[in-house]
Amino acid sequence: TQLLEQSPQFLSIQEGENLTVYCNSSSVFSSLQWYRQEPGEGPVLLVTVVTGGEVKKLKRLTFQFGDARKDSSLHITAAQPGDTGLYLCAGAKVEGAQKLVFGQGTRLTINP
Amino acid sequence: DADVTQTPRNRITKTGKRIMLECSQTKGHDRMYWYRQDPGLGLRLIYYSFDVKDINKGEISDGYSVSRQAQAKFSLSLESAIPNQTALYFCATRLGGSGPGELFFGEGSRLTVL
Repeated sequence: TQLLEQSPQFLSIQEGENLTVYCNSSSVFSSLQWYRQEPGEGPVLLVTVVTGGEVKKLKRLTFQFGDARKDSSLHITAAQPGDTGLYLCAGAKVEGAQKLVFGQGTRLTINP
Repeated sequence: DADVTQTPRNRITKTGKRIMLECSQTKGHDRMYWYRQDPGLGLRLIYYSFDVKDINKGEISDGYSVSRQAQAKFSLSLESAIPNQTALYFCATRLGGSGPGELFFGEGSRLTVL
């Protein structure tokens, strides 16, 4: 059983379209992170959210932490081919916990 | 040079062989982790260490062992490799302390067990 469920697992869209990726759980997390992984490389941190309802923006990417701190979403506006990659959400169940639980990932392909 | 370096990057071996994957870091972080990545399963924690000689099991430690003899090095061993250990393995580091710190990953070691 996956503690963090990401959906969709695969998404292929055209350049310029908008998309949302979801990360859901029945558990409460003290913080949640989003990573992006490109082929042949390790994941790289995009953002950390720690407060219920928090919204963070990173250029065309908008991240939201659910009010109850059980879910998160990643919205990309006007997707570009450079956004292609594997997006992973990761949650810490205890404040300051040094162990993260990862979702299974969303493989995003942006077609020119 | 990468801050977190894994060797080897690729390895093909046979069932029953002993394999060691090595990780070294120049970030000065005290926390080090070994993860395994399989398609559709995300990253699963194998072992982690908060300091030299400190070893903690993760969610899938069976069949694996680790060694942390120096702060900058954390090695993962498969004593007798089996085909279902075929996967992409990542080492990661993190700075200790309160708050949700960032994990810094190596480039991965792809292991194939025939």
